[in-house]
Amino acid sequence: GAVVSQHPSWVICKSGTSVKIECRSLDFQATTMFWYRQFPKQSLMLMATSNEGSKATYEQGVEKDKFLINHASLTLSTLTVTSAHPEDSSFYICSARGNREAGNTIYFGEGSWLTVV
Amino acid sequence: AQSVAQPEDQVNVAEGNPLTVKCTYSVSGNPYLFWYVQYPNRGLQFLLKYITGDNLVKGSYGFEAEFNKSQTSFHLKKPSALVSDSALYFCAVRGGNTGGFKTIFGAGTRLFVKA
Repeated sequence: GAVVSQHPSWVICKSGTSVKIECRSLDFQATTMFWYRQFPKQSLMLMATSNEGSKATYEQGVEKDKFLINHASLTLSTLTVTSAHPEDSSFYICSARGNREAGNTIYFGEGSWLTVV
Repeated sequence: AQSVAQPEDQVNVAEGNPLTVKCTYSVSGNPYLFWYVQYPNRGLQFLLKYITGDNLVKGSYGFEAEFNKSQTSFHLKKPSALVSDSALYFCAVRGGNTGGFKTIFGAGTRLFVKA
């Protein structure tokens, strides 16, 4: 069945560096992908909607220069956390929308843990 | 704007007893409603969804949910809880006139099932 793969599953980076998280749709094409972040014991907050071949649409309060999203192909979206700080430490989850033939179903990745030290 | 409310932070139930996790929603137009479960340090697992049709939706692991349009609710239920059902449960809504394909999540309800 349709699967969304995130890589890496967990990453530790130093404060001030940038880190990239990949979201891949396996066995289906995803024109739209979504990025969420989840703080411990809290809900998922939508950060941005990523459309293939165009700029991402960010939710209010999300810094687009800090959280760079690139959706270069129908199967890959990347989230780059630039100049990471400890407060960016979080669980980041992506989801991908299948096409109309797939019922426009949305599939979630397993998430990526980011720890900034 | 669409929104989801899960009024209970935590639900405690004894194993073998029925469980209910509450969810109400607000959306213009017809909603797509979902329940997901999250185990510690893991991503989301899809349980069930309502799009149209029968108001009672059956999903994975014996869970079901009832769509009630007049009360704008979509409560998650299971006739007999298992200890392994203990997890974090999220209600989510997608669609409506302005929502598009964005999925908005409730705050989550932590379910504890005691043996």
